[in-house]
Amino acid sequence: GAVVSQHPSWVICKSGTSVKIECRSLDFQATTMFWYRQFPKQSLMLMATSNEGSKATYEQGVEKDKFLINHASLTLSTLTVTSAHPEDSSFYICSAQQPGPATRVQYFGPGTRLTVT
Amino acid sequence: RKEVEQDPGPFNVPEGATVAFNCTYSNSASQSFFWYRQDCRKEPKLLMSVYSSGNEDGRFTAQLNRASQYISLLIRDSKLSDSATYLCVVLIRDTGRRALTFGSGTRLQVQP
Repeated sequence: GAVVSQHPSWVICKSGTSVKIECRSLDFQATTMFWYRQFPKQSLMLMATSNEGSKATYEQGVEKDKFLINHASLTLSTLTVTSAHPEDSSFYICSAQQPGPATRVQYFGPGTRLTVT
Repeated sequence: RKEVEQDPGPFNVPEGATVAFNCTYSNSASQSFFWYRQDCRKEPKLLMSVYSSGNEDGRFTAQLNRASQYISLLIRDSKLSDSATYLCVVLIRDTGRRALTFGSGTRLQVQP
């Protein structure tokens, strides 16, 4: 299957700072990438859909000014958590979708564990 | 009401047992259906897609009943390595939006 990487795999930051998380599709071009968040013992929740070359589509309740998404190329999307607070501590997972007939399959990155102190 | 509902478990079963998980979905715009497996502190990995005709992959059998909006996963001859959380996932497509919706998962613990 296709490979998606995320960087960093874990990060600890102080409250009020910003953190950038990268999501890369390593062996395919992804016109669409997705960002999810998962709190302990809860389900993955879709935060936003990122389309290459256009603005991201955010899910209801997700603040676009707080979670900045940039999808500048077909292999890279970034999520920046601005002015992070302890309640933003979570497991952030991206996924990438191949174009073409197999568009239903999403390949997930290994996730980034964010802890805000 | 959640769009995808699962029994959270945990299901504690001995090695070699057969175990079944159920899932219901509520959105009629649900288009495709999947079971994912998620190990602790890891990303979800696709286990199998689910089709109305039912499909099998080795020890795993998945079933979909569109009329009842019900999905199931059967694991036969459980192995220790099957211990994980199993996520029922539905692809919903409506008003131009296409998104995976995850159930909260059913935890399986296979014991020696």
